Parts: sequence; structure tokens; C-alpha cells
Amino acid sequence: DADVTQTPRNRITKTGKRIMLECSQTKGHDRMYWYRQDPGLGLRLIYYSFDVKDINKGEISDGYSVSRQAQAKFSLSLESAIPNQTALYFCATSDPFRGTEAFFGQGTRLTVV
Amino acid sequence: GQQVMQIPQYQHVQEGEDFTTYCNSSTTLSNIQWYKQRPGGHPVFLIQLVKSGEVKKQKRLTFQFGEAKKNSSLHITATQTTDVGTYFCAGRGYGGSQGNLIFGKGTKLSVKP
Repeated sequence: DADVTQTPRNRITKTGKRIMLECSQTKGHDRMYWYRQDPGLGLRLIYYSFDVKDINKGEISDGYSVSRQAQAKFSLSLESAIPNQTALYFCATSDPFRGTEAFFGQGTRLTVV
Repeated sequence: GQQVMQIPQYQHVQEGEDFTTYCNSSTTLSNIQWYKQRPGGHPVFLIQLVKSGEVKKQKRLTFQFGEAKKNSSLHITATQTTDVGTYFCAGRGYGGSQGNLIFGKGTKLSVKP
């Protein structure tokens, strides 16, 4: 089983719909992240969470919200999806105080039509 | 805020040629990491550099961290078709939100057999 699991893997949704992307991890890491990947723009940080009670905005948080339900679970919501939110979304975990690498999920390809 | 610039954005090489990608940070980094993303895949950790002037090798891959800890490079000797993918550097600053990884935009490598 993967250390970081994202669901769904693919989703097509209509403009204006609410959608939730889910992420769960078995690494035991406190920090979890949501990134968005667009061609030529690399990985941009949407939100990150240090622990269940600590959630922070990243570089591009507008139009997104998150919920940290437990240490192992971090979900990303698009309250009212718009076409320019079409992208590949990655969840990741890390333990930066030990300087360890980030572990990424398989990604969710979201298309807003 | 902290920025990590990576060049080139694309590189097309003939199999057997060498390849280099460069990263430059706007601020001094505590460490820098390199990731590889295969087509259709997710970023996977390759290596972390921590010390000023550090050089590490993994088979045909050579990673360097600059003396000022603001720049880094990845060099691949005699590329193979298995090297195809996008290579990302990710810099980590010092403390708080600066402890998050900031990714460069990546260099997409294609290798012609």
C-alpha cells in the first residue's frame, strides 16, 4: 500500500460544483501539504498543516479550503469549482525537523468543465 | 518571500549526451532536495544536500550545493532514455513557514534514442 493515498485519482466536475479531494498517510508525519501542478509552473503550495490544529495558507490558497480531520487525513475542497482550477493536485507529507524528504501521493487529476 | 528559480525549463538531448539543470534561491537555504517526476507519475525524492559546497553522486547523477547555500545543480552524465522526466529542486529555508519546501518550476528532460 502507498504511504500517501489520494482519492479520487481522476475527477471531472462542472463549474460551480463543490468538490473534495482526500488524502491519507501512513507515515506518521505531522506536516501535510496540498500542491497544485500546472504545465510550466511547477508545484505551487496551496495549504499546509503542521498538525491537526495548525493550518496555514500557501502561495495560492484563494478558492480553496482544507480540513485536517486527523494526523493522517488532510482534505482539500473547492467550494465552487471554476475551469482555471483544472490541474493536477498532489498531497504530500514530511517531517522537516528531521530534514526528511517529502512523500507525495499519486495525484488527483481534476478537470472543471 | 522565498523563491527558487530553476533553469532551463526544457532540455532535449540525444541519448549519451550530458544534461545539467540549475537552481538558484533568493535566500540562503538550510538544505536543498532534488526530485524526479516520471511522465504520468508523482515527484519522487532523489537526494538532499545540507552542507555548503557539498557534492553527492548517485551513479551517473552528480548533485552540488553551492558554497553560499543559495544554488545547486544536478548533472547527468551520458543520459539514457530512462532519465526522461521532470527534475525539480526544492529549497528549505530556516524556521517556521520557511521550513517548508519551495519548489523550482522544474526542468523537463527528453532523451532521443
